[in-house]
Amino acid sequence: EAQVTQNPRYLITVTGKKLTVTCSQNMNHEYMSWYRQDPGLGLRQIYYSMNVEVTDKGDVPEGYKVSRKEKRNFPLILESPSPNQTSLYFCASSLLQGVNTEAFFGQGTRLTVV
Amino acid sequence: GDSVTQMEGPVTLSEEAFLTINCTYTATGYPSLFWYVQYPGEGLQLLLKATKADDKGSNKGFEATYRKETTSFHLEKGSVQVSDSAVYFCALSDRRGGGNKLTFGTGTQLKVEL
Repeated sequence: EAQVTQNPRYLITVTGKKLTVTCSQNMNHEYMSWYRQDPGLGLRQIYYSMNVEVTDKGDVPEGYKVSRKEKRNFPLILESPSPNQTSLYFCASSLLQGVNTEAFFGQGTRLTVV
Repeated sequence: GDSVTQMEGPVTLSEEAFLTINCTYTATGYPSLFWYVQYPGEGLQLLLKATKADDKGSNKGFEATYRKETTSFHLEKGSVQVSDSAVYFCALSDRRGGGNKLTFGTGTQLKVEL
């Protein structure tokens, strides 16, 4: 089954404690990205990657890091989380070729930073 | 930059009522347009899409027509069901510079009651 898998689904952490949210896709997609969803703001792109070892900032990258060492995995790293990073996070993947191919989303990670 | 504006919710309807959720966009290129749906506790799923002007996307009884002259992509359904209760996101994708970045509206929550 084609899917994007994120872990964990729920996470409560304290300010400053480094954390990683994992994302894995099984569709051999080149393009992967992270979004955060906040009430009244919709989804905003944090970082994206067009292929292995190719990553770039999205619209709200401050406080986040990513890596793309393998095609299937795209972890999101918060080196020093702060309460304003409390949000619902989604990983998404899609093909690069073709005309605006469908993006597949993970089930989301609800992060609370206290 | 690109932006998407959609009507605020929540929208509450009785079962079998007609649904319209308005969506307008601003983009300098020729974007593809999407409607995504988010059921409670789940990630986003593609509902329908249109890749060029006058295209009509349709799925599960929902329809939307890409109107370049009014820069709109309104979502409609003739008879909603309780199972349609979800949050609906209008989005655009403009492939300038490569990649498949999605720009989302803020989402419209739909509640359908018996």
